[in-house]
Amino acid sequence: QQQVKQSPQSLIVQKGGIPIINCAYENTAFDYFPWYQQFPGKGPALLIAIRPDVSEKKEGRFTISFNKSAKQFSLHIMDSQPGDSATYFCAASHAGNNRKLIWGLGTSLAVNP
Amino acid sequence: DADVTQTPRNRITKTGKRIMLECSQTKGHDRMYWYRQDPGLGLQLIYYSFDVKDINKGEISDGYSVSRQAQAKFSLSLESAIPNQTALYFCATSDSGQGYADTQYFGPGTRLTVL
Repeated sequence: QQQVKQSPQSLIVQKGGIPIINCAYENTAFDYFPWYQQFPGKGPALLIAIRPDVSEKKEGRFTISFNKSAKQFSLHIMDSQPGDSATYFCAASHAGNNRKLIWGLGTSLAVNP
Repeated sequence: DADVTQTPRNRITKTGKRIMLECSQTKGHDRMYWYRQDPGLGLQLIYYSFDVKDINKGEISDGYSVSRQAQAKFSLSLESAIPNQTALYFCATSDSGQGYADTQYFGPGTRLTVL
């Protein structure tokens, strides 16, 4: 049973475009939603995270939008660059499961020059 | 992250062999995790340990075992490797003192091929 559903599985955009990756969850106990970025040959690394008490969080060109009523959150990458080409994972956690991260399946993003 | 190291980085072995993957961290974190990554399947949790005396099965623990030798060391063993255990394996650490923002820090991964 996949508790965090991520889409699309892969995405190709041109440089300067705004790729959007979406995640949906069912468990309303989740209260922390991080995004991790993984470059080829590397382990994932935390990119940005949000809690459900805010609807948006921005860090540089990366923005998380959060819709608590729809139980959805998304990652937007403004002015995307070829260096943003990576796999992106959304995740969720709550105190009731000892903060173990429940992961989406990942989105492979390619930004063409 | 150089603070989390994994050895070996690559390993090719044969069916039936016993394999140990090792993870060490200098971050002083109490929590450690082993994940498996397969294309299209994301990150699957194999085992996790919240301290030296606390080890728990993850979603895909069958065929694997672990040992937490010290706070800084967490090893993963495949007692009798089989071809469908061919995958990329990641170790990760986190600090329970972060509260809800329990960021996981990943090692560089071990690519395991079982022939």
